[in-house]
Amino acid sequence: DAMVIQNPRYQVTQFGKPVTLSCSQTLNHNVMYWYQQKSSQAPKLLFHYYDKDFNNEADTPDNFQSRRPNTSFCFLDIRSPGLGDAAMYLCATSRGLYTDTQYFGPGTRLTVL
Amino acid sequence: AQKITQTQPGMFVQEKEAVTLDCTYDTSDQSYGLFWYKQPSSGEMIFLIYQGSYDEQNATEGRYSLNFQKARKSANLVISASQLGDSAMYFCAMIRPDKLIFGTGTRLQVFP
Repeated sequence: DAMVIQNPRYQVTQFGKPVTLSCSQTLNHNVMYWYQQKSSQAPKLLFHYYDKDFNNEADTPDNFQSRRPNTSFCFLDIRSPGLGDAAMYLCATSRGLYTDTQYFGPGTRLTVL
Repeated sequence: AQKITQTQPGMFVQEKEAVTLDCTYDTSDQSYGLFWYKQPSSGEMIFLIYQGSYDEQNATEGRYSLNFQKARKSANLVISASQLGDSAMYFCAMIRPDKLIFGTGTRLQVFP
Protein backbone atom coordinates (compact mmCIF):
# COMPACT_ATOMS: atom_id res chain seq x y z
CA ASP A 1 0.00 0.00 0.00
CA ALA A 2 1.13 3.50 -0.79
CA MET A 3 1.93 5.29 2.42
CA VAL A 4 3.96 7.72 4.50
CA ILE A 5 6.58 6.12 6.72
CA GLN A 6 8.42 7.71 9.61
CA ASN A 7 11.46 6.35 11.38
CA PRO A 8 12.04 5.92 14.16
CA ARG A 9 8.65 5.90 15.89
CA TYR A 10 10.30 6.84 19.18
CA GLN A 11 13.53 8.78 19.55
CA VAL A 12 15.36 9.66 22.74
CA THR A 13 18.18 12.18 22.63
CA GLN A 14 20.19 14.21 25.08
CA PHE A 15 19.99 17.93 25.55
CA GLY A 16 22.10 19.53 22.84
CA LYS A 17 22.83 16.32 20.91
CA PRO A 18 21.85 16.57 17.22
CA VAL A 19 19.10 14.29 16.04
CA THR A 20 17.65 13.43 12.63
CA LEU A 21 14.15 12.20 11.95
CA SER A 22 13.27 10.46 8.72
CA CYS A 23 10.21 10.45 6.49
CA SER A 24 9.62 8.52 3.30
CA GLN A 25 6.65 8.23 0.99
CA THR A 26 5.50 5.90 -1.73
CA LEU A 27 2.71 8.21 -2.93
CA ASN A 28 5.01 10.09 -5.33
CA HIS A 29 3.63 13.35 -3.97
CA ASN A 30 5.26 16.65 -4.79
CA VAL A 31 4.91 18.25 -1.37
CA MET A 32 6.31 17.06 1.96
CA TYR A 33 5.63 18.79 5.28
CA TRP A 34 6.99 18.64 8.80
CA TYR A 35 4.74 19.46 11.73
CA GLN A 36 5.52 19.70 15.43
CA GLN A 37 2.79 18.67 17.87
CA LYS A 38 3.21 19.20 21.58
CA SER A 39 1.08 17.46 24.14
CA SER A 40 -2.62 18.39 23.97
CA GLN A 41 -2.00 20.90 21.19
CA ALA A 42 -2.76 21.08 17.51
CA PRO A 43 0.03 20.35 15.01
CA LYS A 44 2.13 23.33 14.01
CA LEU A 45 3.75 23.54 10.59
CA LEU A 46 7.53 23.92 10.66
CA PHE A 47 8.27 23.91 6.91
CA HIS A 48 7.50 22.21 3.65
CA TYR A 49 9.11 21.26 0.36
CA TYR A 50 7.40 21.62 -2.98
CA ASP A 51 9.69 19.39 -5.03
CA LYS A 52 13.08 20.91 -4.18
CA ASP A 53 11.67 24.29 -3.26
CA PHE A 54 12.01 24.77 0.51
CA ASN A 55 9.48 26.93 2.38
CA ASN A 56 10.19 27.81 6.00
CA GLU A 57 7.53 29.12 8.36
CA ALA A 58 8.45 32.51 9.74
CA ASP A 59 8.38 31.37 13.37
CA THR A 60 10.31 28.11 12.94
CA PRO A 61 13.49 28.30 15.06
CA ASP A 62 16.84 28.14 13.27
CA ASN A 63 17.55 25.02 15.32
CA PHE A 64 15.30 23.11 12.92
CA GLN A 65 16.56 22.27 9.45
CA SER A 66 15.30 20.01 6.70
CA ARG A 67 16.66 18.14 3.70
CA ARG A 68 14.92 16.50 0.79
CA PRO A 69 17.47 14.56 -1.24
CA ASN A 70 14.85 13.07 -3.59
CA THR A 71 11.09 12.85 -4.10
CA SER A 72 10.66 9.98 -1.66
CA PHE A 73 12.65 11.12 1.37
CA CYS A 74 12.62 14.11 3.66
CA PHE A 75 14.63 14.59 6.87
CA LEU A 76 14.17 16.82 9.89
CA ASP A 77 17.39 17.80 11.63
CA ILE A 78 17.34 19.32 15.08
CA ARG A 79 20.80 20.75 15.58
CA SER A 80 20.78 21.29 19.36
CA PRO A 81 17.61 19.91 20.93
CA GLY A 82 16.31 21.64 24.00
CA LEU A 83 13.82 20.33 26.53
CA GLY A 84 11.15 22.40 24.80
CA ASP A 85 11.63 20.46 21.58
CA ALA A 86 10.19 17.29 23.08
CA ALA A 87 7.12 16.64 20.96
CA MET A 88 5.52 14.44 18.34
CA TYR A 89 6.89 15.21 14.87
CA LEU A 90 4.54 14.49 12.02
CA CYS A 91 5.45 14.20 8.37
CA ALA A 92 2.77 14.72 5.75
CA THR A 93 2.59 14.67 1.98
CA SER A 94 0.24 16.04 -0.65
CA ARG A 95 0.11 15.93 -4.42
CA GLY A 96 0.00 19.71 -4.65
CA LEU A 97 -0.66 22.74 -2.53
CA TYR A 98 -3.89 24.57 -1.75
CA THR A 99 -6.85 22.21 -1.50
CA ASP A 100 -4.99 18.93 -1.94
CA THR A 101 -5.42 16.53 0.95
CA GLN A 102 -2.41 16.03 3.22
CA TYR A 103 -1.66 12.45 4.25
CA PHE A 104 0.25 11.95 7.47
CA GLY A 105 2.73 9.40 8.67
CA PRO A 106 2.52 7.76 12.11
CA GLY A 107 4.80 10.34 13.68
CA THR A 108 8.02 10.22 15.68
CA ARG A 109 7.78 10.95 19.38
CA LEU A 110 10.92 12.76 20.49
CA THR A 111 12.08 12.75 24.10
CA VAL A 112 14.89 15.08 25.20
CA LEU A 113 16.73 14.15 28.39
CA ALA B 1 -6.45 35.94 9.60
CA GLN B 2 -7.71 32.41 9.13
CA LYS B 3 -8.86 30.65 12.28
CA ILE B 4 -10.52 27.37 13.23
CA THR B 5 -12.56 27.07 16.42
CA GLN B 6 -13.59 23.83 18.08
CA THR B 7 -15.54 24.66 21.22
CA GLN B 8 -15.97 21.11 22.55
CA PRO B 9 -12.81 19.94 24.34
CA GLY B 10 -14.46 16.58 25.05
CA MET B 11 -17.51 14.60 23.98
CA PHE B 12 -19.02 11.34 25.12
CA VAL B 13 -21.27 9.13 23.03
CA GLN B 14 -22.71 5.69 23.49
CA GLU B 15 -21.83 3.00 21.02
CA LYS B 16 -24.14 2.91 17.95
CA GLU B 17 -25.37 6.45 18.55
CA ALA B 18 -24.63 9.41 16.29
CA VAL B 19 -22.47 12.33 17.42
CA THR B 20 -21.77 15.79 16.03
CA LEU B 21 -18.43 17.52 16.51
CA ASP B 22 -18.56 21.27 16.02
CA CYS B 23 -16.22 23.38 13.94
CA THR B 24 -16.45 27.03 12.96
CA TYR B 25 -13.97 28.88 10.83
CA ASP B 26 -13.05 32.41 9.98
CA THR B 27 -11.70 33.45 6.61
CA SER B 28 -12.18 36.25 4.13
CA ASP B 29 -11.17 34.03 1.24
CA GLN B 30 -13.77 32.81 -1.24
CA SER B 31 -11.89 29.62 -2.08
CA TYR B 32 -10.83 27.33 0.75
CA GLY B 33 -10.93 23.71 1.83
CA LEU B 34 -12.00 22.17 5.11
CA PHE B 35 -10.78 18.86 6.49
CA TRP B 36 -11.42 16.58 9.42
CA TYR B 37 -8.67 14.38 10.80
CA LYS B 38 -8.79 11.68 13.47
CA GLN B 39 -5.83 11.18 15.80
CA PRO B 40 -5.91 8.01 17.94
CA SER B 41 -3.66 7.69 20.96
CA SER B 42 -0.97 6.16 18.69
CA GLY B 43 -0.44 9.64 17.21
CA GLU B 44 -1.10 9.17 13.51
CA MET B 45 -3.32 11.79 11.85
CA ILE B 46 -5.90 9.98 9.75
CA PHE B 47 -7.71 11.90 7.00
CA LEU B 48 -11.48 11.49 7.27
CA ILE B 49 -13.30 13.90 5.00
CA TYR B 50 -12.89 17.02 2.85
CA GLN B 51 -15.25 19.85 1.89
CA GLY B 52 -14.43 22.50 -0.69
CA SER B 53 -15.92 25.95 -0.32
CA TYR B 54 -17.59 25.70 -3.73
CA ASP B 55 -18.98 22.22 -3.19
CA GLU B 56 -22.76 22.42 -3.20
CA GLN B 57 -23.31 19.05 -1.60
CA ASN B 58 -22.23 18.09 1.89
CA ALA B 59 -19.34 15.64 1.81
CA THR B 60 -19.89 12.07 2.97
CA GLU B 61 -17.43 9.21 3.52
CA GLY B 62 -18.99 6.07 4.92
CA ARG B 63 -20.12 6.80 8.48
CA TYR B 64 -18.69 10.33 8.32
CA SER B 65 -20.57 13.29 6.92
CA LEU B 66 -19.82 16.98 7.01
CA ASN B 67 -22.62 19.41 7.75
CA PHE B 68 -21.37 22.42 5.80
CA GLN B 69 -23.17 25.72 6.42
CA LYS B 70 -21.23 28.30 4.48
CA ALA B 71 -23.20 31.36 5.60
CA ARG B 72 -22.65 30.43 9.23
CA LYS B 73 -19.03 29.40 8.55
CA SER B 74 -19.49 26.05 10.18
CA ALA B 75 -18.32 22.60 9.12
CA ASN B 76 -19.52 20.11 11.70
CA LEU B 77 -18.53 16.46 11.52
CA VAL B 78 -21.28 13.91 12.03
CA ILE B 79 -20.31 10.34 12.92
CA SER B 80 -23.18 7.90 12.59
CA ALA B 81 -23.39 4.58 14.42
CA SER B 82 -20.39 5.28 16.70
CA GLN B 83 -17.97 2.44 17.36
CA LEU B 84 -15.54 1.92 20.23
CA GLY B 85 -12.71 2.42 17.75
CA ASP B 86 -13.92 5.95 17.08
CA SER B 87 -12.51 7.05 20.44
CA ALA B 88 -9.80 9.53 19.50
CA MET B 89 -8.95 13.19 19.12
CA TYR B 90 -10.64 14.89 16.16
CA PHE B 91 -9.21 17.96 14.47
CA CYS B 92 -10.95 20.30 12.09
CA ALA B 93 -8.56 22.06 9.71
CA MET B 94 -8.59 24.60 6.92
CA ILE B 95 -6.16 24.77 4.03
CA ARG B 96 -5.25 28.23 2.90
CA PRO B 97 -3.09 28.89 1.04
CA ASP B 98 -0.38 26.28 1.46
CA LYS B 99 -0.68 24.99 4.99
CA LEU B 100 -3.25 23.41 7.24
CA ILE B 101 -4.57 25.52 10.07
CA PHE B 102 -5.87 23.27 12.81
CA GLY B 103 -8.43 23.79 15.53
CA THR B 104 -7.63 22.79 19.09
CA GLY B 105 -9.38 19.45 18.71
CA THR B 106 -12.21 17.53 20.37
CA ARG B 107 -11.56 14.36 22.31
CA LEU B 108 -14.32 11.86 21.60
CA GLN B 109 -14.91 8.93 23.90
CA VAL B 110 -17.29 6.16 22.87
CA PHE B 111 -18.62 3.97 25.67
CA PRO B 112 -20.42 0.62 25.44
